[in-house]
Amino acid sequence: GQQLNQSPQSMFIQEGEDVSMNCTSSSIFNTWLWYKQDPGEGPVLLIALYKAGELTSNGRLTAQFGITRKDSFLNISASIPSDVGIYFCAGRRPGGSEKLVFGKGTKLTVNP
Amino acid sequence: SAVISQKPSRDICQRGTSLTIQCQVDSQVTMMFWYRQQPGQSLTLIATANQGSEATYESGFVIDKFPISRPNLTFSTLTVSNMSPEDSSIYLCSVGDQPQHFGDGTRLSIL
Repeated sequence: GQQLNQSPQSMFIQEGEDVSMNCTSSSIFNTWLWYKQDPGEGPVLLIALYKAGELTSNGRLTAQFGITRKDSFLNISASIPSDVGIYFCAGRRPGGSEKLVFGKGTKLTVNP
Repeated sequence: SAVISQKPSRDICQRGTSLTIQCQVDSQVTMMFWYRQQPGQSLTLIATANQGSEATYESGFVIDKFPISRPNLTFSTLTVSNMSPEDSSIYLCSVGDQPQHFGDGTRLSIL
């Protein structure tokens, strides 16, 4: 099935640095979600976006729903070691279905 | 958000056998979904578990291989049938209309 184009695939950063990752699609979505998955656990919802142009923050995390409805980004400011994990974007297409399409994930490593 | 419990959390099975995974939610939910996450990969939707009717399967997944039950609004099961090493994955249930929340998954290894 269709997957979202998520980049970068992996990132290695120093503690304190800011991080940015994004997802793009050739088709429009009416919901964008960002999840984080730690080893041995299921994905945990970080931010949900429901309107084009919406900019939402959750602590040090900020995400935006692209104005074209075909993309979204997630920023993490002042990274800390516990930010390590895999970040997934997910989108829900218009049409009433609740099904989600997932990106391939961004693996984040934070060096203390 | 709802508390989602999956059992078992992990298992090691022999090829050719079947395993049933349970997903229990602490509140009634309309939508329940089952996903597969192959090693190092993203999540792929297997099916939507419909309460009181047959599950809706995605392309590439069939009922004979992944039978699903949804007897009520708080519980669902996924069976992985006639397992082979290629079925070694994490199987996750999720719940919710908007947004979806996930259980911790079942880590399945087939020898």
